Amino acid sequence: GAGVSQSPSNKVTEKGKDVELRCDPISGHTALYWYRQSLGQGLEFLIYFQGNSAPDKSGLPSDRFSAERTGGSVSTLTIQRTQQEDSAVYLCASSLVGAVSEQFFGPGTRLTVL
Amino acid sequence: KQEVTQIPAALSVPEGENLVLNCSFTDSAIYNLQWFRQDPGKGLTSLLLIQSSQREQTSGRLNASLDKSSGRSTLYIAASQPGDSATYLCAALQGGSEKLVFGKGTKLTVNP
Repeated sequence: GAGVSQSPSNKVTEKGKDVELRCDPISGHTALYWYRQSLGQGLEFLIYFQGNSAPDKSGLPSDRFSAERTGGSVSTLTIQRTQQEDSAVYLCASSLVGAVSEQFFGPGTRLTVL
Repeated sequence: KQEVTQIPAALSVPEGENLVLNCSFTDSAIYNLQWFRQDPGKGLTSLLLIQSSQREQTSGRLNASLDKSSGRSTLYIAASQPGDSATYLCAALQGGSEKLVFGKGTKLTVNP
């Protein structure tokens, strides 16, 4: 069975450009999470989806960040007008029914904003 | 606000040694605690999940314990191998929340 996949694996962009990061969760997992891992900051929660709804967006750092999930499956994290401080590894995770069940992580997308 | 701390930040041991990694959390009202390993440039691999009602979980050479009252969890690795070299992260799930709060990890190096 396939695990969580993310694309692209690496993204280099110029300051001010928009980027889209994609996450394909494990089939049948209803919950999906986005995290960000920055040097020296550790892993920080961004947003949580249950199905297509996002009951918790509290970790999104600014209104330049948005995410959607369609068909209870694929999710896209969009960062508009990227800034250098957005450079980080963006990790996606999914779990069967929510965080009370084990979270499985994808390999991440390394975003570099020049 | 939940805070998760892992000490030490780095640990180097010779192959074959048994070792313990520590994780502490400030708010004992957790649903569960999960241990992960992360290899350089890679995502996280789940190792063990301990529910709040459990005291420990075992998988192969790994044993994780949870003491909610003291706000501590430990990950015990028996007979360490060079392949165990990685960063180990613990994460606590707060009751009533869907957010995992992560520690900053312990970077383990097992020397042949």
